Amino acid sequence: QLQLQESGPGLVKPSETLSLSCTVSGGSISSSSYYWGWIRQPPGKGLDWIGNIYYTGSTYYNPSLRSRVLISVDTSKNQISLKLTSVTAADTAVYFCARLGEYSDSSGSYFPFDYWGQGTRVTVSS
Amino acid sequence: SSELTQDPAVSVALGQTVRITCQGDSLRNYYATWYQQKPGQAPVLVIYGENNRPSGIPDRFSGSSSGNTASLTITGAQAEDEADYHCKSRDSSGNHLMFGGGTKLTVL
Repeated sequence: QLQLQESGPGLVKPSETLSLSCTVSGGSISSSSYYWGWIRQPPGKGLDWIGNIYYTGSTYYNPSLRSRVLISVDTSKNQISLKLTSVTAADTAVYFCARLGEYSDSSGSYFPFDYWGQGTRVTVSS
Repeated sequence: SSELTQDPAVSVALGQTVRITCQGDSLRNYYATWYQQKPGQAPVLVIYGENNRPSGIPDRFSGSSSGNTASLTITGAQAEDEADYHCKSRDSSGNHLMFGGGTKLTVL
């Protein structure tokens, strides 16, 4: 059974860089052709897509965050990582990592987030 | 527009049918994906594609789409269906994802 686990500091100061890791177990990031993503959820609000990365390192970012975000993959550690620079209180959220599975039917192929980590809460405060 | 709009809250009587909607221009070109999220938990995939349920999702959950509106229908809502429901789709580029604001479903 595939499992994802986020880790990182729960408190980050304003203007600093938020750094999180997501460790994948029960499967190898490099041996499967999946995208992996980061999603966040501010307190009491909806989900906000941050970006996706392929195991080769190819990335797609939310245009609203692109200037501050870096998502990377470390196949030796079976991890993906998120860096978000110049954080403010608006970046306070639960951060989730997830896998984009690949599914097909007669109408086409689909790539939903099918496995999620439990999420890690990050507060931006001095 | 590059947004998905959901009603903030919907309620349904136990055993009745409820439809949760998601509106956005991108839904004319891409199917919505639906996630269920209970308090303090990660989202769970419930519907993807035209109307596909992952293994383990009850068949009372179904999806449909018409024009710029996607719908998640729960036929015979159960108490355990009380949760937030989030729709997701792609933007016009096809490379970026976006979520709706979420709908809080209350089962009365």
